[in-house]
Amino acid sequence: EPEVTQTPSHQVTQMGQEVILRCVPISNHLYFYWYRQILGQKVEFLVSFYNNEISEKSEIFDDQFSVERPDGSNFTLKIRSTKLEDSAMYFCASSGQGTSTEAFFGQGTRLTVV
Amino acid sequence: QKEVEQNSGPLSVPEGAIASLNCTYSDRGSQSFFWYRQYSGKSPELIMFIYSNGDKEDGRFTAQLNKASQYVSLLIRDSQPSDSATYLCAVRGSAGNNRKLIWGLGTSLAVNP
Repeated sequence: EPEVTQTPSHQVTQMGQEVILRCVPISNHLYFYWYRQILGQKVEFLVSFYNNEISEKSEIFDDQFSVERPDGSNFTLKIRSTKLEDSAMYFCASSGQGTSTEAFFGQGTRLTVV
Repeated sequence: QKEVEQNSGPLSVPEGAIASLNCTYSDRGSQSFFWYRQYSGKSPELIMFIYSNGDKEDGRFTAQLNKASQYVSLLIRDSQPSDSATYLCAVRGSAGNNRKLIWGLGTSLAVNP
């Protein structure tokens, strides 16, 4: 069964450092997303990506964040200068075409900023 | 601010009983509604989606949607201990080609053997 894969599963970084979280969406999906979940809080939307550009982003997704699809399979989230409050689970998701197509999630990357 | 609200629980039911999970949403124009299950420390796993008023059944799960009341629910029949998890309600918004999901905090379900 096709699945979304994310690497690494756990990343520890020092405050101020740059991190890149990687995702391989389901191959025939066209929409890609990043969400995050701070421990004990709601899942929060960060950004959606379609046709090689950002289609929507949240207030959280400020200039410290960027996304890329560097090749035909990978989808990355970069945080340029990490802050303590960036510590969270980061989930990549993808969905196909259509108005009600469900999103499938990767297993997540736990980012810990120290 | 568009919101999705759930009772955080915990909801405790005996094995074999029906578990009923509820969700309300504020955006009247919302189009699609999703139930995800999340085990502790894991990612959300899709259980069901619904976008028309009424009931939708899939095995032991039934999703119910009432757009007039802005209410969506999930029934789990013959609950099993393995159903113990947090159930997340997610709503896809109405604006244009908006595909983002807005999430509730989740309801913690405990099924007791």
